[in-house]
Amino acid sequence: DAKTTQPTSMDCAEGRAANLPCNHSTISGNEYVYWYRQIHSQGPQYIIHGLKNNETNEMASLIITEDRKSSTLILPHATLRDTAVYYCVDKLIFGTGTRLQVFP
Amino acid sequence: KAGVTQTPRYLIKTRGQQVTLSCSPISGHRSVSWYQQTPGQGLQFLFEYFSETQRNKGNFPGRFSGRQFSNSRSEMNVSTLELGDSALYLCASSWGLAGALVDEQYFGPGTRLTVT
Repeated sequence: DAKTTQPTSMDCAEGRAANLPCNHSTISGNEYVYWYRQIHSQGPQYIIHGLKNNETNEMASLIITEDRKSSTLILPHATLRDTAVYYCVDKLIFGTGTRLQVFP
Repeated sequence: KAGVTQTPRYLIKTRGQQVTLSCSPISGHRSVSWYQQTPGQGLQFLFEYFSETQRNKGNFPGRFSGRQFSNSRSEMNVSTLELGDSALYLCASSWGLAGALVDEQYFGPGTRLTVT
């Protein structure tokens, strides 16, 4: 079964980079890793996805290890509005998520 | 374009009753997935429907069932409700194209079900 593991919580100072790790050792060779975030009581919101190469969009960057067993989501300049639970997703299975708290 | 809508937004039921939740996907999306979210278990995958067929299924008992209509709208049913079924039920839609490996999901606001 697909499974991802993430740290339960992390803190980050506003304006600094937030680096959120995820282990997805069961991911298949052709499956993408997706990242979503959920702000309190709202539905999760798509952030970014990747297969092998590093990816960047207007929200974040995604670094995937060469063996594809782990990845790191990077929010380059975290703001207070980035406070949320961040989920790493393998297929349709969400991990337990990391609660990111951005503080002033 | 309109996002994913779920009805009702809030629901209170009694143990032993059954409940039906509805989800309307984004126009053109053919895949609808359902998730249960609780404080203790997090976001758990229930099932995915594509073109009126269940394509993937999570590890939930048979009391949880769903269906999808020809317009891609989906319903989820829970029979013989238990206190532990109290949760936020989220639905997500995507294009769901067969063979597509990249297919981000768009989530609705959820239906909060309380079982008393």
